[in-house]
Amino acid sequence: AQSVTQLDSQVPVFEEAPVELRCNYSSSVSVYLFWYVQYPNQGLQLLLKYLSGSTLVKGINGFEAEFNKSQTSFHLRKPSVHISDTAEYFCAGQAAGNKLTFGGGTRVLVKP
Amino acid sequence: GAGVSQTPSNKVTEKGKYVELRCDPISGHTALYWYRQSLGQGPEFLIYFQGTGAADDSGLPNDRFFAVRPEGSVSTLKIQRTERGDSAVYLCASSPQGDYNEQFFGPGTRLTVL
Repeated sequence: AQSVTQLDSQVPVFEEAPVELRCNYSSSVSVYLFWYVQYPNQGLQLLLKYLSGSTLVKGINGFEAEFNKSQTSFHLRKPSVHISDTAEYFCAGQAAGNKLTFGGGTRVLVKP
Repeated sequence: GAGVSQTPSNKVTEKGKYVELRCDPISGHTALYWYRQSLGQGPEFLIYFQGTGAADDSGLPNDRFFAVRPEGSVSTLKIQRTERGDSAVYLCASSPQGDYNEQFFGPGTRLTVL
């Protein structure tokens, strides 16, 4: 069975500093990977996805992620965060059957 | 355009009661998914519909949970004999035919069982 692990439950970061959110997955079959963001009292919004091709994926709001098959990782990065990036971020994998398997989430708190 | 909508946004019920949660997917989306998000955790898959039929219900925790999608559009998640452990945010998502890699999520229904 596929599993997704987010290594950090909370990440405090100062405004305009870079941030990296770590995600590792386990799977014995081909996998698609996603990052979603959840702002307070809102639904999940897709940031970016990796399906195939280039391992560096660029998403909305200046986020990017790199698929690393040898390390089974899909870490999310942003070079300079804003206060508005305060939210919870979820990494997810999708193997056979269309359902998403989510990690436990990483809460990002951007401080002024 | 209109996104996925879920009603009610909040539901408070007593232990042992029956509840129904409704999901209106994006118009024309053929795939519909239900997930459950407990406090401090990531969403967990419950059930997936392709059209009117449940293509995968492996995530339903027990036989108190049931979901339908009779006309291939709106879906209802039904929970019988609710327990305090059922308290969570129930999320619905939909995908267009041929693009199951992107699921559009609704805002969720927060269920509280007292």
